[in-house]
Amino acid sequence: KQEVTQIPAALSVPEGENLVLNCSFTDSAIYNLQWFRQDPGKGLTSLLLIQSSQREQTSGRLNASLDKSSGRSTLYIAASQPGDSATYLCAVRPSGNQFYFGTGTSLTVIP
Amino acid sequence: NAGVTQTPKFQVLKTGQSMTLQCAQDMNHNSMYWYRQDPGMGLRLIYYSASEGTTDKGEVPNGYNVSRLNKREFSLRLESAAPSQTSVYFCASNRLGEAGELFFGEGSRLTVL
Repeated sequence: KQEVTQIPAALSVPEGENLVLNCSFTDSAIYNLQWFRQDPGKGLTSLLLIQSSQREQTSGRLNASLDKSSGRSTLYIAASQPGDSATYLCAVRPSGNQFYFGTGTSLTVIP
Repeated sequence: NAGVTQTPKFQVLKTGQSMTLQCAQDMNHNSMYWYRQDPGMGLRLIYYSASEGTTDKGEVPNGYNVSRLNKREFSLRLESAAPSQTSVYFCASNRLGEAGELFFGEGSRLTVL
């Protein structure tokens, strides 16, 4: 079974700082990897999806990279803002219709 | 564009009662999913439907049943609710293929007393 780990579980940074969130997975045979944001009491909002043939995806201040051989993905957030405070989750899709989620990193951006 | 819509948003049940969570998507997606989210456990798959007319068990199916009513709708039923089923339930959907981005509803918070 695919295991997905996100470390650290919580992170606090001052506003304006660039930061990296980590996601590691145990089986490199993946179909795609997706990053989500979850605000308290809300559903998951898709941020970026990286297909297995891709190395990275970018959307605005967000950049996600994928290294299948090492079982790692990173989400880079540039010039962090208080509105970026949320829990960030990654999900790995090995094949078919199963997705495996990490438990998330809770990010607080301090004004 | 509503995306994935779940009802109800909140529900309180007594042990042994039954209820159905409803989910509908308007993105013409083939696949739909039901997850539960519990503190420290992350998201766990209950059931999924790869396409209209098919359903399959996920990681934690016990105590639940599902119906894929049509391409748009996928419901989750608790026949005899137990306190262990207190959780936040999420419905999600995606289209087929490697680029099939997963979209979630806002969640249904269920408390079983």
